[in-house]
Formats: sequence, C-alpha cells, structure tokens
Amino acid sequence: ETGVTQTPRHLVMGMTNKKSLKCEQHLGHNAMYWYKQSAKKPLELMFVYNFKEQTENNSVPSRFSPECPNSSHLFLHLHTLQPEDSALYLCASSQRGEKVGEQFFGPGTRLTVL
Amino acid sequence: QKEVEQDPGPLSVPEGAIVSLNCTYSNSAFQYFMWYRQYSRKGPELLMYTYSSGNKEDGRFTAQVDKSSKYISLFIRDSQPSDSATYLCAMSEEITGGFKTIFGAGTRLFVKA
Repeated sequence: ETGVTQTPRHLVMGMTNKKSLKCEQHLGHNAMYWYKQSAKKPLELMFVYNFKEQTENNSVPSRFSPECPNSSHLFLHLHTLQPEDSALYLCASSQRGEKVGEQFFGPGTRLTVL
Repeated sequence: QKEVEQDPGPLSVPEGAIVSLNCTYSNSAFQYFMWYRQYSRKGPELLMYTYSSGNKEDGRFTAQVDKSSKYISLFIRDSQPSDSATYLCAMSEEITGGFKTIFGAGTRLFVKA
C-alpha cells in the first residue's frame, strides 16, 4: 500500500449505531487530519494531530471522537450520528517542515446516516 | 465574508479550450497558494503550489497569484476530457505551532470530447 489509505470506502449506518473510520498513511509523515466534505461546501477541517497529539479540534460535536495511536494511524469513532452528518470524510497527512499547507489525501469514506 | 470564495460551477468546455478557474480571498496573511484536483470517488491531489505573486507553469497548467488583488487563478491549456474533475483552491498561513489552510468549495469542470 502506498500513500494514504482509508477504510471502509462506503458506510451506511443508523443513528443509533457505533462505527469507526480508519486511516493509515505510508508516507512517514508526522501530522494527520480529518476533514468533512459536503456537496458544494469547502472542506471542513475537523481534527489535527501532530506526533499523535491532538492540536486542533475545530468545534466538532462530541459524537465524533478521534483516536491517534501512532503517527501512521488515525481513527474516527462515530456514535449517535445525525442525517446531516452524511458526507465524504477525508483523511490527510503532511510532514512538518516541508511545503507549508501541502497535504496528501486518502480516497475518503462516503458515509450515509439513515 | 468567507475567507475564500470559489464559484462551484459547473463549468463545461469543449476539448482543446483554455480553462480559467479563479478564487478570491480576504486574509492578507495567506502566503502559500495551492490548487488541488479531485476526481470522482477520490481524494484531492496537489496540482500546483506557489508561495509568491506571479505565474508558475507546469506543462499545460499555469497558476497565477495576485496578492494585491487577493486573487488566484489556474489556467489549463488544451484541455482534455481527462481534466474533468473538481478543482479546489487552497491557501495557507503560518501560525503559532503550525499552519492554517483554508479550502475553496471547488469548481466542477467538464471537458467534452
């Protein structure tokens, strides 16, 4: 595997379900991100981790819970979501000290909340 | 006012046309400017990167930054059907402890054969 991978690629869940999204980066980067992408809206930054430490939580509801066990893996735990949470969830990574702002994205998880 | 404004389109052009995509921004602290391309069912990938005013060319693609007008552009020459994608502008500033990047909403481009 190369680059940034995400699983699952598609997820359908009910509002009472608990599920997790997984991201893995194979680039040796030290920063990882979760974004939400909704139709015709800009990418919304959710969380940032640098060296496994959360450095930003962009006022995300507590029904989204991130976990970063090491610098290569990032999870997003989901519980009691709402239909408006349906979106494409993108993971990205970057290397501090390299090009400012350059991020490498995974293919995303298309989430549908019924 | 949004920090970054980008017309979502869609923009439809014939093959071989010159395409012009644009973004405006309000934060004069942005120093780094990027264009990402996103194909359907894939994540964005970096297409062009620049950190100064002026033009940067890479093959059929030219990125233009005008900091005085807070306006950035991406030109695609001799457009191909394979250029059909969503193009996202993005801009970054360095802040304490890292950097802040803001993305535009993306412009959907269709190039017809």
